[in-house]
Amino acid sequence: NAGVTQTPKFRILKIGQSMTLQCTQDMNHNYMYWYRQDPGMGLKLIYYSVGAGITDKGEVPNGYNVSRSTTEDFPLRLELAAPSQTSVYFCASSQQQGGAGELFFGEGSRLTVL
Amino acid sequence: AQSVTQPDIHITVSEGASLELRCNYSYGATPYLFWYVQSPGQGLQLLLKYFSGDTLVQGIKGFEAEFKRSQSSFNLRKPSVHWSDAAEYFCAVGVSGGYNKLIFGAGTRLAVHP
Repeated sequence: NAGVTQTPKFRILKIGQSMTLQCTQDMNHNYMYWYRQDPGMGLKLIYYSVGAGITDKGEVPNGYNVSRSTTEDFPLRLELAAPSQTSVYFCASSQQQGGAGELFFGEGSRLTVL
Repeated sequence: AQSVTQPDIHITVSEGASLELRCNYSYGATPYLFWYVQSPGQGLQLLLKYFSGDTLVQGIKGFEAEFKRSQSSFNLRKPSVHWSDAAEYFCAVGVSGGYNKLIFGAGTRLAVHP
């Protein structure tokens, strides 16, 4: 069972470049999330989705965009990469709402912007 | 606003010693509380969760946590640490009524000496 799959695992970008982090889950979960993890800061929520076609901003959405055309996929788009976006990005999914359910995480995507 | 504080950034223990990782939260209602573990290069995995009822909850890998409402705490414990427990541990509070959003603490990195 694959769970949550993220690609790529590593990427180096130049300032101003664009890229998309891919995330797919095979558990038929309605809820999906993108977090970024910075040293000593824990995880911060970037965007989340409660189902296909519905997305909303989290704590740190600036510089990112998302879409949710299917239940399985939740890509994260960086339009104009900046050094401040150097981070480890985690995609997660869950079945329950209301802060009550277990989140299942991908293995992360390490992004460096130079 | 909801928040989670993990006072210890790094903790080192000897293999076989007992362990307690501290977590304090700020939330107006009855919280949903979680502990996640992150092994190097991996995503986060749920150790245990508290929703209601018995304030002492058991989790995987021999971990337990105790919810103390009067102290706004949810400390993680293990009676005898194994070298494989070396990882980063995150406490999180679930925001009920929202879309399963979790607020994470900054994490505690555990090192285990042989």
